[in-house]
Amino acid sequence: AQSVTQPDIHITVSEGASLELRCNYSYGATPYLFWYVQSPGQGLQLLLKYFSGDTLVQGIKGFEAEFKRSQSSFNLRKPSVHWSDAAEYFCAVGTGTASKLTFGTGTRLQVTL
Amino acid sequence: DGGITQSPKYLFRKEGQNVTLSCEQNLNHDAMYWYRQDPGQGLRLIYYSQIVNDFQKGDIAEGYSVSREKKESFPLTVTSAQKNPTAFYLCASSSLGDPGTEAFFGQGTRLTVV
Repeated sequence: AQSVTQPDIHITVSEGASLELRCNYSYGATPYLFWYVQSPGQGLQLLLKYFSGDTLVQGIKGFEAEFKRSQSSFNLRKPSVHWSDAAEYFCAVGTGTASKLTFGTGTRLQVTL
Repeated sequence: DGGITQSPKYLFRKEGQNVTLSCEQNLNHDAMYWYRQDPGQGLRLIYYSQIVNDFQKGDIAEGYSVSREKKESFPLTVTSAQKNPTAFYLCASSSLGDPGTEAFFGQGTRLTVV
């Protein structure tokens, strides 16, 4: 069975600083990997996804993620964080065409001004 | 606008009562899903359906039931057998057939047992 680990429960960064959120997955075949963002009390919005091709994936809101098969990782990055990026971020792995997702436990991002 | 609508946004239930959460989508997606979200535990899959009149249990189906009579609708019933129903419930949908297809989420329903 697949699993996702997000080792950081809570991260605080200053506005304008760079950001990296960690995600490690466990899955026997080629994974389909996703990053979602959730504002308080809201649904999830897709930031970016990887399922093949270039291992560096660009997403919305200036986010990017790099798939590293050797490290089973799919870390999310942003070069300069904005206060509006404060939210909870979820990494997920999907299997095949069913899009049934397994989520990590999330990382809450706080941005200080 | 296309999307997923969950209703109500907030729901209160007395212990021992069943309650049904609504989820409707107009994205023409074949697959629909219900997830439960608890603080510090991420999202966990309750049920999913890939076709009308068929659905499968997810990881935490006990105490829940679903139906899929129409492609657009996938209501979730939280029964009195669910021991700890207070949570945030999220409905999602996706197309099928393309690897890596993404899931689209509704805005969620917060259920509180009083």
